[in-house]
Amino acid sequence: DTAVSQTPKYLVTQMGNDKSIKCEQNLGHDTMYWYKQDSKKFLKIMFSYNNKELIINETVPNRFSPKSPDKAHLNLHINSLELGDSAVYFCASSHLQGEAFFGQGTRLTVV
Amino acid sequence: KQEVTQIPAALSVPEGENLVLNCSFTDSAIYNLQWFRQDPGKGLTSLLLIQSSQREQTSGRLNASLDKSSGRSTLYIAASQPGDSATYLCAVHASGGSYIPTFGRGTSLIVHP
Repeated sequence: DTAVSQTPKYLVTQMGNDKSIKCEQNLGHDTMYWYKQDSKKFLKIMFSYNNKELIINETVPNRFSPKSPDKAHLNLHINSLELGDSAVYFCASSHLQGEAFFGQGTRLTVV
Repeated sequence: KQEVTQIPAALSVPEGENLVLNCSFTDSAIYNLQWFRQDPGKGLTSLLLIQSSQREQTSGRLNASLDKSSGRSTLYIAASQPGDSATYLCAVHASGGSYIPTFGRGTSLIVHP
């Protein structure tokens, strides 16, 4: 069974569209994360969320919003997509300050 | 703000060599440090996790050490193989306040036969 799964794996969309990326973990972790990996492969935190607290990287545009229907899911919604949003987005989970496990990534291409 | 630096940025070696990858961090108040491997077009695979109270962890041909006071960790790969070719990333979990893993930019490793 996949520990952290993301869907879709690839997403191609036009500028201005709204899209969502789903993430699910079956590890029983209490903390989930979204990272953006840019063209130079640098992983930058976007959001960190546990069942009590959401931490937002202040550099993330408010067009991006995380939504957590329950502890096992943290979805990423993106409004009014821009060309610069093209990147690989990774979901991860861990126990608080524990070993982190990552999904396989979603490659987003905005055209 | 925690900053993580990995040296070298890239490394190309012949098969069989023993390798040392370096990771340094600016804030020594960490909870743990984790080493990952990323293959091209793939996700991150956790290799080793070192708690702040530990000095090293071993898994097969991999050995990771941690010197918290000097803000450094090394990943030692023994008898490298072509299958070890990948990008190696270290991430630091800060203690006190933020619990978000902060990543270095990685070391891109190529092991040629």
